[in-house]
Amino acid sequence: DAGITQSPRHKVTETGTPVTLRCHQTENHRYMYWYRQDPGHGLRLIHYSYGVKDTDKGEVSDGYSVSRSKTEDFLLTLESATSSQTSVYFCAIMGRDSGNTIYFGEGSWLTVV
Amino acid sequence: LAKTTQPISMDSYEGQEVNITCSHNNIATNDYITWYQQFPSQGPRFIIQGYKTKVTNEVASLFIPADRKSSTLSLPRVSLSDTAVYYCLVGAPLTGGGNKLTFGTGTQLKVEL
Repeated sequence: DAGITQSPRHKVTETGTPVTLRCHQTENHRYMYWYRQDPGHGLRLIHYSYGVKDTDKGEVSDGYSVSRSKTEDFLLTLESATSSQTSVYFCAIMGRDSGNTIYFGEGSWLTVV
Repeated sequence: LAKTTQPISMDSYEGQEVNITCSHNNIATNDYITWYQQFPSQGPRFIIQGYKTKVTNEVASLFIPADRKSSTLSLPRVSLSDTAVYYCLVGAPLTGGGNKLTFGTGTQLKVEL
């Protein structure tokens, strides 16, 4: 358990509405990540953050924005949700060991109807 | 970024040893190799990590040949509860500028009686 909490865990929303997913960590980790997971695609990186106000795009960032105004919170926003963004979203942090161990949250299930 | 290739699926029986190989031909000098396990409706969970040769912990062994272009996760005497998706991840320790860690599509292991 890396002290990661995702909210909401489940959400159904309508096409065109904005949605924000929150990732909260309690152990002062510098690096945080947002992934989405879809059948046949594995885990795909959306955005990541390497510090407060420091973020960068991953491989599937279109349609998503992120913000990190404080160390413990990393927010993922879908400005105008589409059905293709129906997915499971995982937040992750990078641990402080010598390798690059990533620890994941339990996921947020988002359905866009 | 080191791209990884794994078999899409594997089948086994309880009590057998299972070996899952991951290819990462363009692994960089500083890259570590990490394996994760994921059950349905859960986030991926860290199993084992290594840099070279062999690493063993209470649940698995990781074999890395001298050229480090592949790695093999070995699960001794699997049980039904080992049915899961296994991901190989290759990436470098933090270097200060951010680190995009990209997963492959994983290997679905199915264990039967």
